[in-house]
Amino acid sequence: GIQVEQSPPDLILQEGANSTLRCNFSDSVNNLQWFHQNPWGQLINLFYIPSGTKQNGRLSATTVATERYSLLYISSSQTTDSGVYFCAVELVGNEKLTFGTGTRLTIIP
Amino acid sequence: GAGVSQSPSNKVTEKGKDVELRCDPISGHTALYWYRQSLGQGLEFLIYFQGNSAPDKSGLPSDRFSAERTGGSVSTLTIQRTQQEDSAVYLCASRVVRFNEQFFGPGTRLTVL
Repeated sequence: GIQVEQSPPDLILQEGANSTLRCNFSDSVNNLQWFHQNPWGQLINLFYIPSGTKQNGRLSATTVATERYSLLYISSSQTTDSGVYFCAVELVGNEKLTFGTGTRLTIIP
Repeated sequence: GAGVSQSPSNKVTEKGKDVELRCDPISGHTALYWYRQSLGQGLEFLIYFQGNSAPDKSGLPSDRFSAERTGGSVSTLTIQRTQQEDSAVYLCASRVVRFNEQFFGPGTRLTVL
């Protein structure tokens, strides 16, 4: 089946720092989403980005579908950015999300 | 508008009992999904409903698990004869149409003693 790998698994940063999270996937996809799982377990939609680049405030994401990777950028980190970030993909012809193992981000004040 | 809602938020049960988990998708969303998140397995797909089509049950881990979606809206996930390994957070998601983004509910945390 499709492999979805995220790196790094853990990231600890000072408030104000910038970070880049990576998602590699092993096959062609119709859908790629980035989520933030907050401390209460809720999955918050960040980006729906099967290809191209999008920005939303301090967050931006880029997916290069031909090279099978996506990047999530967080600038000027805040403590509220802490949590686990998941990448999830939907294979062509397979209408369900396969999740990566996540990146746990901890922002220290 | 309201997001995906799930109930109960927490459920503690004894091994061998049956449980029912409920999901109310976003109004107008034709597709509904169940996933679960456990320590050992991460986030994994369970079952998928799309309109009036037969559901995709390929992720259900055993025949103790079943789900139905009534009237194209509310869905119930039933786990019979629960086992300790069923302990997990069960997440429901919905989306408007195929290949669009999925939106998740807050989950039901199931603990089997």
